[in-house]
Amino acid sequence: EDKVVQSPLSLVVHEGDTVTLNCSYEVTNFRSLLWYKQEKKAPTFLFMLTSSGIEKKSGRLSSILDKKELFSILNITATQTGDSAVYLCAVKGSAGTALIFGKGTTLSVSS
Amino acid sequence: DTEVTQTPKHLVMGMTNKKSLKCEQHMGHRAMYWYKQKAKKPPELMFVYSYEKLSINESVPSRFSPECPNSSLLNLHLHALQPEDSALYLCASSSRTGANTEAFFGQGTRLTVV
Repeated sequence: EDKVVQSPLSLVVHEGDTVTLNCSYEVTNFRSLLWYKQEKKAPTFLFMLTSSGIEKKSGRLSSILDKKELFSILNITATQTGDSAVYLCAVKGSAGTALIFGKGTTLSVSS
Repeated sequence: DTEVTQTPKHLVMGMTNKKSLKCEQHMGHRAMYWYKQKAKKPPELMFVYSYEKLSINESVPSRFSPECPNSSLLNLHLHALQPEDSALYLCASSSRTGANTEAFFGQGTRLTVV
């Protein structure tokens, strides 16, 4: 059965800290891994990763995929209170159509 | 425009009511999705439409009936729902159903069944 496991499930940090969120997966015929940020409502797309070892970066956020070890990490540097959200990892597998989501990591950044 | 627009934002309905959720995108995407999300849980896939045809139905009860009138619109018709169907219903779209395409989500409809 395909599955996506995120860790930790929740995390509390102080502003300015650096955090690393983890996502491991077991998916038949892996195609791509996506990271989303969800605050009150809709998930907002962050990154899509398809190749191992190539870091994707957007401001203070970066992510990398390891297809050999079947995991990805999402790094956030110099965290701000606005980074508080649920971060969802999702994977596309053999069906190619549906995203399989992990349970998410709830990040709380205190000032 | 990378927007997926869902209406209404909130909906309260009785168990005997019939209502519809609407989703619209103008990005030229040919794949559209309905997800259901309960509190503190990840989104669960309900339906996938590809080129206006239903391609995936994740064993969703028949009281949920999807419809894709054209490539920009996706509806979810609701009838005889149960209180446990209360959730956030998210619509998403992607350029196609291929593997290497990101999905963009709408803001969701918060549904409460009373």
